Amino acid sequence: KAGVTQTPRYLIKTRGQQVTLSCSPISGHRSVSWYQQTPGQGLQFLFEYFSETQRNKGNFPGRFSGRQFSNSRSEMNVSTLELGDSALYLCASSLSRYFGPGTRLTVL
Amino acid sequence: GENVEQHPSTLSVQEGDSAVIKCTYSDSASNYFPWYKQELGKRPQLIIDIRSNVGEKKDQRIAVTLNKTAKHFSLHITETQPEDSAVYFCAASMGAGNMLTFGGGTRLMVKP
Repeated sequence: KAGVTQTPRYLIKTRGQQVTLSCSPISGHRSVSWYQQTPGQGLQFLFEYFSETQRNKGNFPGRFSGRQFSNSRSEMNVSTLELGDSALYLCASSLSRYFGPGTRLTVL
Repeated sequence: GENVEQHPSTLSVQEGDSAVIKCTYSDSASNYFPWYKQELGKRPQLIIDIRSNVGEKKDQRIAVTLNKTAKHFSLHITETQPEDSAVYFCAASMGAGNMLTFGGGTRLMVKP
């Protein structure tokens, strides 16, 4: 089976823009969790989706949102980007047992 | 909410020695405790996990112990090798791992 995949791998945006990141879990896995990784704050939980429903949400502002499609692929969106949103965004499937390679977002 | 503290933040050992990393958690409702290894520029990789109904679990050179009363758990790596060098993260969750709270990480350096 193919592993967890994320696209794009790298993104550069400017403040105020919005961005959409994509995650495809391992085939057959219906749970997708998203995490933000920064040098200062470490790994922080963003949200979790299961069968197209958001089951849990971390302590992030409403600018961070997500969704899951019927094929279990998930997207997360960040609106009105701030410099502090620069981070590695990781998704994981199968209850966080398998992580994707991450999307490195840089906000200028 | 849950808070996980991890110590030490850096650990340097000689090849062949043992390494121990400790984590404490705050929420007694947490019942799932995984450990991840993250090499530079790579994704976190689950290396071992333990549930609250188990006190210890081993997998070759790696073991994890859990003390529910004291609310702490530890990762033990024996016979360390240079390829064990990485950042290790502990985590805790109330459930099966869908919503993890991570510790701050330990950078392990194994000197040949």
